[in-house]
Amino acid sequence: EPEVTQTPSHQVTQMGQEVILRCVPISNHLYFYWYRQILGQKVEFLVSFYNNEISEKSEIFDDQFSVERPDGSNFTLKIRSTKLEDSAMYFCASLGQGKETQYFGPGTRLLVL
Amino acid sequence: AQSVAQPEDQVNVAEGNPLTVKCTYSVSGNPYLFWYVQYPNRGLQFLLKYITGDNLVKGSYGFEAEFNKSQTSFHLKKPSALVSDSALYFCGAGSYQLTFGKGTKLSVIP
Repeated sequence: EPEVTQTPSHQVTQMGQEVILRCVPISNHLYFYWYRQILGQKVEFLVSFYNNEISEKSEIFDDQFSVERPDGSNFTLKIRSTKLEDSAMYFCASLGQGKETQYFGPGTRLLVL
Repeated sequence: AQSVAQPEDQVNVAEGNPLTVKCTYSVSGNPYLFWYVQYPNRGLQFLLKYITGDNLVKGSYGFEAEFNKSQTSFHLKKPSALVSDSALYFCGAGSYQLTFGKGTKLSVIP
């Protein structure tokens, strides 16, 4: 069964550093998402991406965040200058054309020190 | 703006007993409703969804959920709980952008 994959599974970084989180969505899916979950809190929507551009973004997704689909398979989330409060689990999800169900990856746990 | 509420932080149930995890929603238009389960250190795993049609939807691992439009609820149910059902359950609403509740920790006691 196809699945969404994410790398790395864990990332530790220093405050102010740039991080790139990587996702490989399900191959025939066209809609891509990033969500985050701060420890002990609910899963929050960050951004959606379709047809090589952002379709929606939340208030959390400020200028420090960017997304990219650099090739036909990867979907990345970049945080330019990490803050302590960026520490969270980041989930990638994808959705097929004409479908309703988003499928989530296993997540990347980001710790900013 | 859409919102989802899960009023219980934790639900404890004895193995073999029926379980219910509650969810209420507030969305405009016809709701797309979902249940996902999260095991420790894992991602969200899709359980079931309501888009349209029969109010009782069946999903993975014997779970089902009942859509109640008048009460704006979408409670998750299972007739007989297993210890392996112990996990964090998230109710979600939306089509292209999912809004989740804060999650309910289900503990099934042997």
